Amino acid sequence: DGGITQSPKYLFRKEGQNVTLSCEQNLNHDAMYWYRQDPGQGLRLIYYSQIVNDFQKGDIAEGYSVSREKKESFPLTVTSAQKNPTAFYLCASSIDRGRAYNEQFFGPGTRLTVL
Amino acid sequence: GEDVEQSLFLSVREGDSSVINCTYTDSSSTYLYWYKQEPGAGLQLLTYIFSNMDMKQDQRLTVLLNKKDTHLSRRIADTQTGDSAIYFCAESIRRDSSYKLIFGSGTRLLVRP
Repeated sequence: DGGITQSPKYLFRKEGQNVTLSCEQNLNHDAMYWYRQDPGQGLRLIYYSQIVNDFQKGDIAEGYSVSREKKESFPLTVTSAQKNPTAFYLCASSIDRGRAYNEQFFGPGTRLTVL
Repeated sequence: GEDVEQSLFLSVREGDSSVINCTYTDSSSTYLYWYKQEPGAGLQLLTYIFSNMDMKQDQRLTVLLNKKDTHLSRRIADTQTGDSAIYFCAESIRRDSSYKLIFGSGTRLLVRP
């Protein structure tokens, strides 16, 4: 079955620690995205990548970093510089960003809690 | 500007129709989408509509697009408890040489038995 997987589903972190969230897709999509979801605020774009070895900052990139070494994988690191990291994180992918119809497929999400 | 607005909450009785509205600001949007999110899960595409269409219907689901007023709505007939979820409206807009999705804040639908 094709799809997007995220792991872990729940993650707990102590203040001051970096933590990496995994996102893998086997849909052969070029574009991948990371969103942060807070109650009542919808989805905010953290980073996106249009192609391997390339990524761009979204609207709220401060305190986060990403890499795109493989087409299938787009891990997100939440660094200690992120002031309020407790949130639900969603990874998504789409065929590419050059098409007007660019449906995004979402993973199940990772809920990060900072203790 | 890039802004998609939705009301935050809607409560309906089981069997009634439920209508969720969305206002977007970029009249050049090509496609508009409705996504559904169940508790603790990712988003799933419910339906989409191309900007040259006024209406799209699929069984219980009807989507209406008023491009002149940049208004999108989604109506579900005979709403069931399983329809309880958060519904996101999203628009696809062109920026530079690529397209991006702008999401609304989501409308939480509660269906009462």
